[in-house]
Amino acid sequence: EVQLVESGGGLVRPGGSLRLSCTVSGFTFSTYSMNWVRQAPGKGLEWVSTISRNSDYIYYADSVRGRFTISRDNAKNSLYLQMNSLRVEDTAVYYCSRDLSLGPPVAFDIWGQGTMVTVSS
Amino acid sequence: QSVLTQPPSASGTPGQRVTISCSGGSSNIGINTVNWYQQLPGTAPKLLIYSNDQRPSGVPDRFSGSKSGTSASLAISGLQSEDEADYYCAAWDDSLNGWVFGGGTKLTVL
Repeated sequence: EVQLVESGGGLVRPGGSLRLSCTVSGFTFSTYSMNWVRQAPGKGLEWVSTISRNSDYIYYADSVRGRFTISRDNAKNSLYLQMNSLRVEDTAVYYCSRDLSLGPPVAFDIWGQGTMVTVSS
Repeated sequence: QSVLTQPPSASGTPGQRVTISCSGGSSNIGINTVNWYQQLPGTAPKLLIYSNDQRPSGVPDRFSGSKSGTSASLAISGLQSEDEADYYCAAWDDSLNGWVFGGGTKLTVL
């Protein structure tokens, strides 16, 4: 069964840091691009970052560029999101997702259940 | 303010056909394909339509997508109560070098 499981969410003070993890199973992780997408409480979806299968290409939303770092460890079937200088507006459920295509980004076809990040003093 | 524009709400009665629009621009929908996601209450989003009009395995053919110029549409025929959900369109934006989403449309089945 294809599965994505996020972890690492929690409560953090403004200015603090958090590292999210996404562990996958049921498919060959190293052949797919991966993404982080977030959803603030009661709000819509917001793309955060994308990393290609070999980490050759990395993209960030303007709202997180310079503060967040996406990475992956293909040997551990894991995707990460290092979040620094966190702001109240970063409060959201963070989903990891797989890209449908083995090539250029096409669509997010598999999603995890999400992990909640709350930034508050 | 989302880059892609969707109506905030839509509604229909069981059996009806409803459409949800998604308007973008020359750097996103105008030159790239559109995807649609369904998010049932309290759950993670699910891919409904990709590459404008393709359905992933398991998605009923009641759901269909189309694109024309800088706009796209999701159509749901034979509306069912379990279709009550939030629907989001998305496309890659070449100017922003990233994915952009619509603000979402809450579909109510009356």
